[in-house]
Amino acid sequence: NAGVTQTPKFQVLKTGQSMTLQCAQDMNHEYMSWYRQDPGMGLRLIHYSVGAGITDQGEVPNGYNVSRSTTEDFPLRLLSAAPSQTSVYFCASSKTGYEQYFGPGTRLTVT
Amino acid sequence: AQSVTQLGSHVSVSEGALVLLRCNYSSSVPPYLFWYVQYPNQGLQLLLKYTTGATLVKGINGFEAEFKKSETSFHLTKPSAHMSDAAEYFCAVSGPGTYKYIFGTGTRLKVLA
Repeated sequence: NAGVTQTPKFQVLKTGQSMTLQCAQDMNHEYMSWYRQDPGMGLRLIHYSVGAGITDQGEVPNGYNVSRSTTEDFPLRLLSAAPSQTSVYFCASSKTGYEQYFGPGTRLTVT
Repeated sequence: AQSVTQLGSHVSVSEGALVLLRCNYSSSVPPYLFWYVQYPNQGLQLLLKYTTGATLVKGINGFEAEFKKSETSFHLTKPSAHMSDAAEYFCAVSGPGTYKYIFGTGTRLKVLA
């Protein structure tokens, strides 16, 4: 199993550009989520999904969109990038909704 | 509402010494508690978890944590630090019926030779 994979590993965007961060898992987990990690702030939940077709907002959803059309994939869309969205983004999946398996992260810089 | 406080953003211990990383939580529902470890430039890895049952839980790499309801604490310990334990450690809280994890701000552990 590859586990949770994220692409790209690094990305630089200009303010106002849009992009999609990809996340995929091959463990047949129903639960998937997106976090951002900022220095001194730990991880904060952006959006999560409890199954295909079902998503909900987390702690910091503004500026981000998600959809879940398959069990395997959970892409995160930045609609109009802002410097405040410079961060490291982690995708995670879970069979039970509790123990989470994390991907390696995407480091995003918005200039 | 749930929250997590990790006391000490940086902790240094000598190799072979006791590791103690502190975590206090607040939760309006019975808490599910977790410790994760993050090595440089990697994602997080689950160390151990408490959901129900035995309050002393053992995890990987010799770590353990004790759920103390009266103190609203879930401190992480390891009897003897190893150089390979140097990493950042995150405490997190969730609860039955909710998938929303709340993470603490993390404690970076440094192990001195």
